[in-house]
Amino acid sequence: DGGITQSPKYLFRKEGQNVTLSCEQNLNHDAMYWYRQDPGQGLRLIYYSQIVNDFQKGDIAEGYSVSREKKESFPLTVTSAQKNPTAFYLCASSRLGTGVNEQFFGPGTRLTVL
Amino acid sequence: AQSVTQPDIHITVSEGASLELRCNYSYGATPYLFWYVQSPGQGLQLLLKYFSGDTLVQGIKGFEAEFKRSQSSFNLRKPSVHWSDAAEYFCAVGAGGFKTIFGAGTRLFVKA
Repeated sequence: DGGITQSPKYLFRKEGQNVTLSCEQNLNHDAMYWYRQDPGQGLRLIYYSQIVNDFQKGDIAEGYSVSREKKESFPLTVTSAQKNPTAFYLCASSRLGTGVNEQFFGPGTRLTVL
Repeated sequence: AQSVTQPDIHITVSEGASLELRCNYSYGATPYLFWYVQSPGQGLQLLLKYFSGDTLVQGIKGFEAEFKRSQSSFNLRKPSVHWSDAAEYFCAVGAGGFKTIFGAGTRLFVKA
């Protein structure tokens, strides 16, 4: 079955450490996205990518970095510069085309900073 | 600037009762509108979408939504709620390019 996988489901990090969240899709989608979700705030866009080796900052990119070396993969690194990283992180993908296409979401990774 | 407002943070309905979740958007052009549902600790699943044409759109799980341009609204409805519908619901608007703006969400509680 086609879909998006995220790993790990739960992640614990000590302050000052960088951590990388995995996102893989086999939907053959060109566009991929990372969102952060906090209670009562909906989804906020961190980074997005339309093609391999290219990505753009979203609304809250500070303290995060991404790479897009393969079409299927879009890992997110939460750096020590992110002041409040504890949150639920969602990866999504969509087709490219005219207009705005629906996004397909992974199951999420819950990051907790200890 | 584009925005989405979901006025109700949470709603409680009895099982079998009807449901309406409100959504208002701000967007200068013809909007692309979506409703997603999220179960606790899970990702989002698309319920339905509106791009153009008939303003009443049908989705999965018995949900429907009506686009009203004059009111800048895209409310989600279901005639009879089931306990399994308890979840958080997000309205979203396509903001041009590949960005989608999400509302803050409405959490639905279903009582027996």
